[in-house]
Amino acid sequence: DAGVIQSPRHEVTEMGQEVTLRCKPISGHDYLFWYRQTMMRGLELLIYFNNNVPIDDSGMPEDRFSAKMPNASFSTLKIQPSEPRDSAVYFCASSLRSSNTGELFFGEGSRLTVL
Amino acid sequence: SQQGEEDPQALSIQEGENATMNCSYKTSINNLQWYRQNSGRGLVHLILIRSNEREKHSGRLRVTLDTSKKSSSLLITASRAADTASYFCATGPPGNTPLVFGKGTRLSVIA
Repeated sequence: DAGVIQSPRHEVTEMGQEVTLRCKPISGHDYLFWYRQTMMRGLELLIYFNNNVPIDDSGMPEDRFSAKMPNASFSTLKIQPSEPRDSAVYFCASSLRSSNTGELFFGEGSRLTVL
Repeated sequence: SQQGEEDPQALSIQEGENATMNCSYKTSINNLQWYRQNSGRGLVHLILIRSNEREKHSGRLRVTLDTSKKSSSLLITASRAADTASYFCATGPPGNTPLVFGKGTRLSVIA
């Protein structure tokens, strides 16, 4: 397996634009997580899915953020409209069978810069 | 907060020396995991230690867990320049809730 695949790797956009980040988890993994990493706040969990169903989205900072998982092999994180404070690295991770007792497999991240 | 806190925030050592990083947390856990992140890359799982274990080894890595003190340590022996990275502890709460990551220790190994 190629691991967790994220796209784009880098995104530079202007304030107010819509941003869509994409993730393909490892085949067979039941859990998918979206994290945001900044120097100030470290790695924050935004939302996670189990079998394509959102379980906890309490980490999503505002209504401007939304995430979907239409099938087991694809998830999106959308920011609309984007703001400069959304600049961060966004990671997708997947795991097999459990949200915390197994290892997480991370993608390489999407570095977002909002001007 | 369940979040683990790593100590020190940054560590610089010479190649061949041992590196020790510590993690403290506040509430009960099911397990504790350590991850490595190279610059510009995603996190990579290193080792998992369960709450009923006290020590675990993997290659040059040694992890200890003291649940009475709510702390863990990661020891990297005979460090190499390639070990330069950030190291994160992640705590797994009881029940099926996700891992919570600390802010990491930045390790620099100088050749």
